[in-house]
Amino acid sequence: GENVEQHPSTLSVQEGDSAVIKCTYSDSASNYFPWYKQELGKRPQLIIDIRSNVGEKKDQRIAVTLNKTAKHFSLHITETQPEDSAVYFCAAKGYNFNKFYFGSGTKLNVKP
Amino acid sequence: EAQVTQNPRYLITVTGKKLTVTCSQNMNHEYMSWYRQDPGLGLRQIYYSMNVEVTDKGDVPEGYKVSRKEKRNFPLILESPSPNQTSLYFCASSDLSGSPDTQYFGPGTRLTVL
Repeated sequence: GENVEQHPSTLSVQEGDSAVIKCTYSDSASNYFPWYKQELGKRPQLIIDIRSNVGEKKDQRIAVTLNKTAKHFSLHITETQPEDSAVYFCAAKGYNFNKFYFGSGTKLNVKP
Repeated sequence: EAQVTQNPRYLITVTGKKLTVTCSQNMNHEYMSWYRQDPGLGLRQIYYSMNVEVTDKGDVPEGYKVSRKEKRNFPLILESPSPNQTSLYFCASSDLSGSPDTQYFGPGTRLTVL
């Protein structure tokens, strides 16, 4: 099956700086890559996603890039704010199967 | 209000005592899934269902059962819980005809097995 690895496990940045979280996947058949944000004590919520026919997607301060050849994808958050502090999870899902595989999570701390 | 609900939200039980965690969604979603979340391991998929009476194993199905008799409900059954099933459980659903891979998560059920 698929294996998704996520780095770093913790990330601390100063407010206003950028944050980058990286994930790699093993199954070249995976074609959908969502990112979830989970605040303390809350449920995961989808913040952005990308499909394998797209190299980059942006939504205001958040962007995701995908490199299919290298089998890795990254979450970029610009102009970070304290409310961006949370745990972020990447995930992968294939076209021919209906299972989701999640990374182990990155705890982002944005210092005011 | 469109939502996924889970009950109970918190449960403490003892080894071997059968339990059921319910999950219900009011969005007419075909796809429903159960995950467990453990520190350092992210979310791991237990079972999923593509529609009524269609279920399949996720990555960590051992020790769990599910059923999908109605479209809105997808209960998770632990017939003989063990301490290694102590975890935070999330149910999720998605609309296969709309944005098919966008999952909406329930609020979570924190289970402790003594």
